[in-house]
Formats: sequence, structure tokens, C-alpha cells
Amino acid sequence: GQQLNQSPQSMFIQEGEDVSMNCTSSSIFNTWLWYKQDPGEGPVLLIALYKAGELTSNGRLTAQFGTTRKDSFLNISASIPSDVGIYFCAGQYGGATNKLIFGTGTLLAVQP
Amino acid sequence: NAGVTQTPKFQVLKTGQSMTLQCAQDMNHNSMYWYRQDPGMGLRLIYYSASEGTTDKGEVPNGYNVSRLNKREFSLRLESAAPSQTSVYFCATLNPWGLADSPLHFGNGTRLTVT
Repeated sequence: GQQLNQSPQSMFIQEGEDVSMNCTSSSIFNTWLWYKQDPGEGPVLLIALYKAGELTSNGRLTAQFGTTRKDSFLNISASIPSDVGIYFCAGQYGGATNKLIFGTGTLLAVQP
Repeated sequence: NAGVTQTPKFQVLKTGQSMTLQCAQDMNHNSMYWYRQDPGMGLRLIYYSASEGTTDKGEVPNGYNVSRLNKREFSLRLESAAPSQTSVYFCATLNPWGLADSPLHFGNGTRLTVT
């Protein structure tokens, strides 16, 4: 099936550092989504991207829809301990969410 | 994750036992989904229901059945549980006609162990 390569798999950083993670696909997506999952909870949407080249921010988070439509990036600036969790990218082919494919996740640990 | 309620939160089954995972939403969304989450595998779609009365297979449907009982409820059934079905199961909902910033709302998950 369709694969989304998400990297890195894990990151261990100091509080205050900036973080970057990305997802790449072998196919073109129409939508890229970034979710965060806290322990024991379901994923929560952080940012949604709907157009190639789009750059969108949500507080300290910034995500970009790659111009090739095959990749996306998420940056977190000035990390804080509550940023800890697993971050997932997801790509969507078209209007139907049954075509939503998730990445394997990036585990982020932030040391105070 | 207000709006999507999954029960039970935890379950341990023996191989061959059956059980039903329940999902209910109060957001009046048309579409509902069941995903499973395994380490290193991301979230994989098991079944989905685009609207009341319809269900379709996702990426990994084998060993599962679903029922869209009404607009609010979408259940996932394991008829004969296998250890390979040990996973965390998430229910999600979507209103296709909703705002662009609100795709897929997830429940808090059901953690299933099959021994």
C-alpha cells in the first residue's frame, strides 16, 4: 500500500531548541495534515495544508506543503516540555478521507 | 477529544474470543472511521462509513466487521480475536462539508491485548 516516510523516528532535545521533521511520499497528495498525540489520547490536529507551497503557522509551529506535493515539513520553534509527544503527518489524495495515509510518527522528547 | 467516545478503554482477550468496540459521536458528523495503531506502523484504516447505512473496507479489514448502527454510532467487531490484533484502536469522525481546519476528530482509543 501507499507509504509515507516520516523522519526522524525520534528526537531528544533540550528545552528551547528548534525542531524539524518531515514526511515524504512516492505519490502526490492534495492535502497534508500534521497531528500530535499525547500519551493515552487520540491524535489532535495541529495544522492542515491544502495547497502546494503553502506555509502555515499555529503558534510556535510552522508547516509547509512541499512544491512537489510529495512532501511536507513541520517545524517547532523554542520547544517547551509540553511539546513532548508523537507527531504524525498524514496525506490525503482527494476529497474522501478514506484515502488518508498516516506516517509512522516522530517521537519528540524535550528535556527541561 | 470531546465529541468522540470510545468504550472500553482497555480490554484483554484470549485467542478466539469475540468482542465489540463501541464508538459514539455527538458532533452530527456523517463519516466515521476505525483505525488501528501499531508501533512503527502509524495509523492504518480498518473500515469506514461515509454515511449512515454504508460501510466500506479500508487498508486492513481482515478479521473485523463493522456496523453503522445510526448516525451517532459505529462499532467494530472482532469475531475470533488473534494475537495479531493486539493494538490500539481509534475511532474518528469527519464532516465532509465542515470547515477546512477540522478534518478527522479522534477518540481516545481502546487498548486491546489478545493473549
